[in-house]
Amino acid sequence: ILNVEQSPQSLHVQEGDSTNFTCSFPSSNFYALHWYRWETAKSPEALFVMTLNGDEKKKGRISATLNTKEGYSYLYIKGSQPEDSATYLCAFINGNNRKLIWGLGTSLAVNP
Amino acid sequence: ETGVTQSPTHLIKTRGQQVTLRCSSQSGHNTVSWYQQALGQGPQFIFQYYREEENGRGNFPPRFSGLQFPNYSSELNVNALELDDSALYLCASSLAMERPPGTGELFFGEGSRLTVL
Repeated sequence: ILNVEQSPQSLHVQEGDSTNFTCSFPSSNFYALHWYRWETAKSPEALFVMTLNGDEKKKGRISATLNTKEGYSYLYIKGSQPEDSATYLCAFINGNNRKLIWGLGTSLAVNP
Repeated sequence: ETGVTQSPTHLIKTRGQQVTLRCSSQSGHNTVSWYQQALGQGPQFIFQYYREEENGRGNFPPRFSGLQFPNYSSELNVNALELDDSALYLCASSLAMERPPGTGELFFGEGSRLTVL
């Protein structure tokens, strides 16, 4: 059974704080890692698709890194804003069957 | 707005009934995936269709079945509904240039919330 774990499960930060959270996945037979943001009452929105060890991707104040050898990815948010409040989900794709295996998400609340 | 639409948005069924959920994928996308998200859980992969063929299936029983049509829209059918089938069902479309697909970003609909009584 392949597990994807995200930590922390939830966190509360103040507006302007920078924050980061982790997605851990099996390090063998890696194919790709996806990050999504899911705001309440909306549909999940793709942030990044990462495929290479050492990948770093950035979209505005959000960035992500990937370490496939040790099986983790970090998502960073610089200068959090209330509109960043959402659940951040990662999904791992195993090279055997190319199915996405999802973590449970990190729920971020940014207080103004 | 992702361009992926799902219907119905909410529905209530009773145990033993059957349900059909529908998904219109984003224009130009050839791949559709279905996910079940129960309360407090991450999305669970049900199955994926690529150019009208099932391209992978998660750990769901055969009473979960699907179709993809020539216009790449899709249906999820669930027979003999059980209480545990109550969940948000998400559809996501993507453009895959390869088989099996794996690296394309998913564009999600807003989901169909099913309640089984």
